[in-house]
Amino acid sequence: GESVGLHLPTLSVQEGDNSIINCAYSNSASDYFIWYKQESGKGPQFIIDIRSNMDKRQGQRVTVLLNKTVKHLSLQIAATQPGDSAVYFCAENAGYSTLTFGKGTMLLVSP
Amino acid sequence: NAGVTQTPKFRVLKTGQSMTLLCAQDMNHEYMYWYRQDPGMGLRLIHYSVGEGTTAKGEVPDGYNVSRLKKQNFLLGLESAAPSQTSVYFCASSLGTGVYSNQPQHFGDGTRLSIL
Repeated sequence: GESVGLHLPTLSVQEGDNSIINCAYSNSASDYFIWYKQESGKGPQFIIDIRSNMDKRQGQRVTVLLNKTVKHLSLQIAATQPGDSAVYFCAENAGYSTLTFGKGTMLLVSP
Repeated sequence: NAGVTQTPKFRVLKTGQSMTLLCAQDMNHEYMYWYRQDPGMGLRLIHYSVGEGTTAKGEVPDGYNVSRLKKQNFLLGLESAAPSQTSVYFCASSLGTGVYSNQPQHFGDGTRLSIL
C-alpha cells in the first residue's frame, strides 16, 4: 500500500541552528498533512498541520512546507533548542480522518 | 481538562491471557483510534471509531477487538495475548467529519504492554 516515509532517520544539530526534517509521501490524493513530536515515554504531540490548498504554514518557531509536485513535506525548526530533541513523525490523511504515519526521524540537539 | 487518558500505563501478561485497555477523552471528540507502536515501524492503526456504537478495522486489526459504548470511551481488548502483541499502545481522538474533517488527532501517553 501507499505509505509516508522519511529521508533521514537521525538528524544531529547544534543548539541555535535551524533544523529541517523531510518527508516523502506517495498518495497524490492526500489533502491533509500533520507533523508530530514524540518525546521519550510520551505520546505524539501535535506540532503543525497543513492542507493541500496551501504550500506553507508557519507556527511558533516551526514552518511546514508542502510541495505537491514532488510529493514532499518538510518541517523547519528555527533556532533549535535542546528541548526540541525528540522523534518527529509526518502523517497524511488516509480517509475517514485516519492517518498514515511515517517511521519517524530522531532529532538530536547538542548544546 | 485531561485530554486523552489511557489506563493502565504498564502491564505484563502471560501468553493466552486476556485484558482490556481503556481510553477516555474529555474533549467531546467524535472520532477515536487505537494504534500500536513498535521499534522501526512507526504508528500503525489497529481499529478506530467514527462515533458512539461504531467501530472499524485499521491496518493491523487481527487479535484485537474494540468497543465504543460511550462517546468518551474507547476500549481495546486482547482476547488471547501473544508475544507478537508486545508493544506500546496509543489511543487518540479527533473532532470528526463535516466542518471538522481533517483535524489533528490528540494522543494519550500510551500503555506499555509486554506479553511473556
